[in-house]
Amino acid sequence: GAVVSQHPSRVICKSGTSVKIECRSLDFQATTMFWYRQFPKQSLMLMATSNEGSKATYEQGVEKDKFLINHASLTLSTLTVTSAHPEDSSFYICSARVGASNQPQHFGDGTRLSIL
Amino acid sequence: RKEVEQDPGPFNVPEGATVAFNCTYSNSASQSFFWYRQDCRKEPKLLMSVYSSGNEDGRFTAQLNRASQYISLLIRDSKLSDSATYLCVVNRGTGGSYIPTFGRGTSLIVHP
Repeated sequence: GAVVSQHPSRVICKSGTSVKIECRSLDFQATTMFWYRQFPKQSLMLMATSNEGSKATYEQGVEKDKFLINHASLTLSTLTVTSAHPEDSSFYICSARVGASNQPQHFGDGTRLSIL
Repeated sequence: RKEVEQDPGPFNVPEGATVAFNCTYSNSASQSFFWYRQDCRKEPKLLMSVYSSGNEDGRFTAQLNRASQYISLLIRDSKLSDSATYLCVVNRGTGGSYIPTFGRGTSLIVHP
């Protein structure tokens, strides 16, 4: 159980393009989903917390107009990187939490984004 | 001081060795604790939750010391396949929700 699917797994696109990443919980309802970014040899950095039906909560230093998050249902959250630039190239990973808020989160496979 | 701190390693051990990782956290209001493993260029996978009384899952033992604000992970009889980065995760309660904070991870290399 607790399977999280993330799509696409790999994106290569030109600077200025907007990229949409989907995160789905396949066998459970996720009240809360998280979006992370990880640069090579760095730790996972939480970008935002996404709650179904409400606005996402962004971590300090993360531009909400740059990284648009939508959590329209209990099984789907999307992250859109708007007007992506080379410095946005990174490994983006979503996670979803089952049940009570102090439960562990389960991760999607991640999306490797490369902006040329 | 970072919220969650881990020794980055790498820990380089032979097969069969016992290895222990520690993780300290700064927020005394932290509510729940987990260990994840992350393989190179992959997503983190839950290894085990950490309970107040300590818990064991096969070769893995996790312990929590709330007074000293640290958690530990012990791996016995290390296998080559245990080579990975081990991430400590602490959920801190804030405004009714629980936000996970990751340590930087401890790298483990098990060699023949």
